[in-house]
Amino acid sequence: NAGVTQTPKFQVLKTGQSMTLQCAQDMNHNSMYWYRQDPGMGLRLIYYSASEGTTDKGEVPNGYNVSRLNKREFSLRLESAAPSQTSVYFCASSDPGQGVNQPQHFGDGTRLSIL
Amino acid sequence: KNEVEQSPQNLTAQEGEFITINCSYSVGISALHWLQQHPGGGIVSLFMLSSGKKKHGRLIATINIQEKHSSLHITASHPRDSAVYICAPRTSGTYKYIFGTGTRLKVLA
Repeated sequence: NAGVTQTPKFQVLKTGQSMTLQCAQDMNHNSMYWYRQDPGMGLRLIYYSASEGTTDKGEVPNGYNVSRLNKREFSLRLESAAPSQTSVYFCASSDPGQGVNQPQHFGDGTRLSIL
Repeated sequence: KNEVEQSPQNLTAQEGEFITINCSYSVGISALHWLQQHPGGGIVSLFMLSSGKKKHGRLIATINIQEKHSSLHITASHPRDSAVYICAPRTSGTYKYIFGTGTRLKVLA
């Protein structure tokens, strides 16, 4: 089982460039999430999608857009990258509708540096 | 004040010691997630619980919803347990999680 797959694993961008981080899950989960992890801080929610066709802002959405392409895929786009967006990005999925104790499953992360 | 507080922030133990990591939160929750993150970054789910106690191998997690507190215990700790342990409550009525900053555990042989 692949679980949650993120691409790319590493990326270096110049300020102002754009890019899309891809995430796909094969567990038929309804909910998908994008987080960023910065030193000394807990994971922070950028955007989430409770189900196919819906997306909602999280704690730190500025500078990002998302697309829930279908049930499997949830992409995160940086339209004009800024050095403050240097971070490690994690995608996760879960299906809390299947039971209150359904856990989140995480991808391996994307390490993004903006120069 | 952070909505999720973990203690201690850092912990060094000798192999074989019993370890406790605490998590307190200030919001209403439906369940709480304990996660493990090894150097190199991958995040693994350890437990998701909404009441009582769960056990998996040498790991035990407990939660008291009324007291807004959860603990993660590691019995007979081993150097391979060295990692960051993260508490992440799921807020009531949503599918959203809030994350503690983690407890960095180092177990010495």
